Amino acid sequence: QKEVEQNSGPLSVPEGAIASLNCTYSDRGSQSFFWYRQYSGKSPELIMFIYSNGDKEDGRFTAQLNKASQYVSLLIRDSQPSDSATYLCAVNSGGGADGLTFGKGTHLIIQP
Amino acid sequence: EAGVAQSPRYKIIEKRQSVAFWCNPISGHATLYWYQQILGQGPKLLIQFQNNGVVDDSQLPKDRFSAERLKGVDSTLKIQPAKLEDSAVYLCASSLAGIEQYFGPGTRLTVT
Repeated sequence: QKEVEQNSGPLSVPEGAIASLNCTYSDRGSQSFFWYRQYSGKSPELIMFIYSNGDKEDGRFTAQLNKASQYVSLLIRDSQPSDSATYLCAVNSGGGADGLTFGKGTHLIIQP
Repeated sequence: EAGVAQSPRYKIIEKRQSVAFWCNPISGHATLYWYQQILGQGPKLLIQFQNNGVVDDSQLPKDRFSAERLKGVDSTLKIQPAKLEDSAVYLCASSLAGIEQYFGPGTRLTVT
């Protein structure tokens, strides 16, 4: 049974600070790792994906992957109130086309 | 480029009734997924199609749920008979190369 664990929060961060979101996964065969953002009442939207150990940066977002520790994180720099949402971590085991296994999500609140 | 379309957006039925959801993926996307998202949880994969063939339906409750994707484009998901625990948002997603999955707006089902 593949599992993805996230702290449900809420995680409260002051505006302009760095928000750090964490995720662990159980399946060592997992190949691809994704971060989705979901606003209340909306569908998930992809923020970033990462395949290799290390860091991947895209604008204010940085994804970090440590396969040995089975750990994925997402850093959001210069947090804005519009970043307030639920962040879902997802993994898949195949070459990319497999369906995703999601965590329950972390509710992030950016305080103005 | 038009996104993933789903209908209806909302549906309220009584338990033991049947219901069907429709999804039209992004044009040219060969892979189509149906996810179930219960309130407070991450999406859970129900079924994955590659063109009009089923790739993974291991988490589909086959005694009551069925899905088809005729001609490799549109898809329908049916529940018959519905139970109270089927109350959820049903999300359809599509993918071109299997990396980025684009989600539709979802259908919110309430079973009373």
